[in-house]
Amino acid sequence: DTGVSQDPRHKITKRGQNVTFRCDPISEHNRLYWYRQTLGQGPEFLTYFQNEAQLEKSRLLSDRFSAERPKGSFSTLEIQRTEQGDSAMYLCASSFQRGGYEQFFGPGTRLTVL
Amino acid sequence: DQQVKQNSPSLSVQEGRISILNCDYTNSMFDYFLWYKKYPAEGPTFLISISSIKDKNEDGRFTVFLNKSAKHLSLHIVPSQPGDSAVYFCAASFNAGNNRKLIWGLGTSLAVNP
Repeated sequence: DTGVSQDPRHKITKRGQNVTFRCDPISEHNRLYWYRQTLGQGPEFLTYFQNEAQLEKSRLLSDRFSAERPKGSFSTLEIQRTEQGDSAMYLCASSFQRGGYEQFFGPGTRLTVL
Repeated sequence: DQQVKQNSPSLSVQEGRISILNCDYTNSMFDYFLWYKKYPAEGPTFLISISSIKDKNEDGRFTVFLNKSAKHLSLHIVPSQPGDSAVYFCAASFNAGNNRKLIWGLGTSLAVNP
């Protein structure tokens, strides 16, 4: 399977714990995006990487959220001191800068904070 | 302020008939439009797109129409099949410096009844 993959698919955690999600983009894609989606909403942009550089971070992203893409391949999204309001589907997408404008999404990680 | 609007939260269609999903936008900077399909507990799947320099793009049973003067686009599915039942998101793309941004509608839930 050469699509975008995300791990884990589901995560249940207690409030105050830290969680980390991983995304493996399509191999030739140099752009990588993280989104968050809640019920009844479209995906909400969190952050964007071009290769290993984090070029944009949403103003909505609190300091508890951090993302990395150390070698320009896979990326991790960490949430520290989770809150119940962090419960959502976290989506990763990738695209190729010189390709079309389509972003290709992974299956998402469903986070539930108890 | 919702820049991409899908005014119908849901749509129900008989199998074999045409499904028409609508999307309106407000920002003239958008130059590329995309439709995604989303099943529950999965990430969005890219369906079809259209550049702002075109007024129609067709791919099999799916056709997207763009009316730039009205800032309106629509997705036609003919004939509709039960497997098309999903949430459909309209997204609009524009160049934001280092980033190609996607702005999403809230989605329309399509039910195709056998």
